Amino acid sequence: GAVVSQHPSRVICKSGTSVKIECRSLDFQATTMFWYRQFPKQSLMLMATSNEGSKATYEQGVEKDKFLINHASLTLSTLTVTSAHPEDSSFYICSAGGFGGGDYEQYFGPGTRLTVT
Amino acid sequence: KQEVTQIPAALSVPEGENLVLNCSFTDSAIYNLQWFRQDPGKGLTSLLLIQSSQREQTSGRLNASLDKSSGRSTLYIAASQPGDSATYLCAVRPGGYNKLIFGAGTRLAVHP
Repeated sequence: GAVVSQHPSRVICKSGTSVKIECRSLDFQATTMFWYRQFPKQSLMLMATSNEGSKATYEQGVEKDKFLINHASLTLSTLTVTSAHPEDSSFYICSAGGFGGGDYEQYFGPGTRLTVT
Repeated sequence: KQEVTQIPAALSVPEGENLVLNCSFTDSAIYNLQWFRQDPGKGLTSLLLIQSSQREQTSGRLNASLDKSSGRSTLYIAASQPGDSATYLCAVRPGGYNKLIFGAGTRLAVHP
């Protein structure tokens, strides 16, 4: 199957700083990438959908000025958490949409654990 | 609005048992349904994907069924092993969209 990487896998930052998370599709071109967050023992909640070269579409309730998404190429999308606060601490997972095995699927990265102190 | 529910929320069984995990969704207009496995602190591993036109998919000891009209899917795990311990997530892809909507998951513990 298709491979998606995320970097960093873990990050600790101080309140008020910004953090950037990268999501890369390693062996296919992803026209669409998705960003999810997951709180402990809860499911994945879609934050936004990004298409290469255009603005991201945010889900209801997600602050687009706080969670900046850039999808500059077919293999890279970035999520920047601006002015992070402790309540932003969460597990962030990206996925890349593609036709790796035939039909369209989302291929998930390993996730990034963000802790804001 | 599509909602996905998984029952039970948690399950603890002895090794060797056959298991059934349930997933239900409110809107039958789906493109496909997918079952994932998530180990603690890790990303998602896709287990089975069932297209809306299909009734079931099988992979090894796993079998997933789909009844789109009633909004239900089941994941059957045969002869469970301690290595099967993980959280199992069900997700539907609504018709006309590329995004996935996830259930809250079933946390499975298989003890020796």
